[in-house]
Amino acid sequence: AQSVTQLDSQVPVFEEAPVELRCNYSSSVSVYLFWYVQYPNQGLQLLLKYLSGSTLVKGINGFEAEFNKSQTSFHLRKPSVHISDTAEYFCAVRMDSSYKLIFGSGTRLLVRP
Amino acid sequence: IAGITQAPTSQILAAGRRMTLRCTQDMRHNAMYWYRQDLGLGLRLIHYSNTAGTTGKGEVPDGYSVSRANTDDFPLTLASAVPSQTSVYFCASSKTGGTGELFFGEGSRLTVL
Repeated sequence: AQSVTQLDSQVPVFEEAPVELRCNYSSSVSVYLFWYVQYPNQGLQLLLKYLSGSTLVKGINGFEAEFNKSQTSFHLRKPSVHISDTAEYFCAVRMDSSYKLIFGSGTRLLVRP
Repeated sequence: IAGITQAPTSQILAAGRRMTLRCTQDMRHNAMYWYRQDLGLGLRLIHYSNTAGTTGKGEVPDGYSVSRANTDDFPLTLASAVPSQTSVYFCASSKTGGTGELFFGEGSRLTVL
């Protein structure tokens, strides 16, 4: 069965510093990978997705992620964070044969001034 | 504005009562989903529907039921609520045959006492 692991429950970082949020998945078949962001008291919105092709994908708000098949990882990065990036970030995987998304437990990014 | 509407936004419910969370989408997406979000556990799939007239069980279906009489509506029913069903519930939809991106509602916060 597929699963998604987000090792860091919370990541504190100072404003304008770089950040990496880690995501590892397990699956024996081809997968599609997603990062979603959830601002306080809101639903989830898509940051970026990997379907195929280039392993480096760029999303909204200056975020990017790199798909590494050999390490089964899809880490999210931003070179310089803003206070407004404070939110919960979820990694998710979809198997090629299914429309269901399996989510990780989430990482809370806390950006401090 | 097209999207997903959930109701109620928030509800406090006595244990043993029946409750239906409503979800309506106007994007003509074939697939719809119900997730629950709990601290430290991320989002877990309760039930899903790939098309009107069909439903399926997710990771945590016990105590919940769904119906999909038409494309737009996907209500989630708790037949006899228990305190462990206290959670935030998110409805989502996606195109079938597409990239699998999910579009989320704003959530329904349910407290069972």
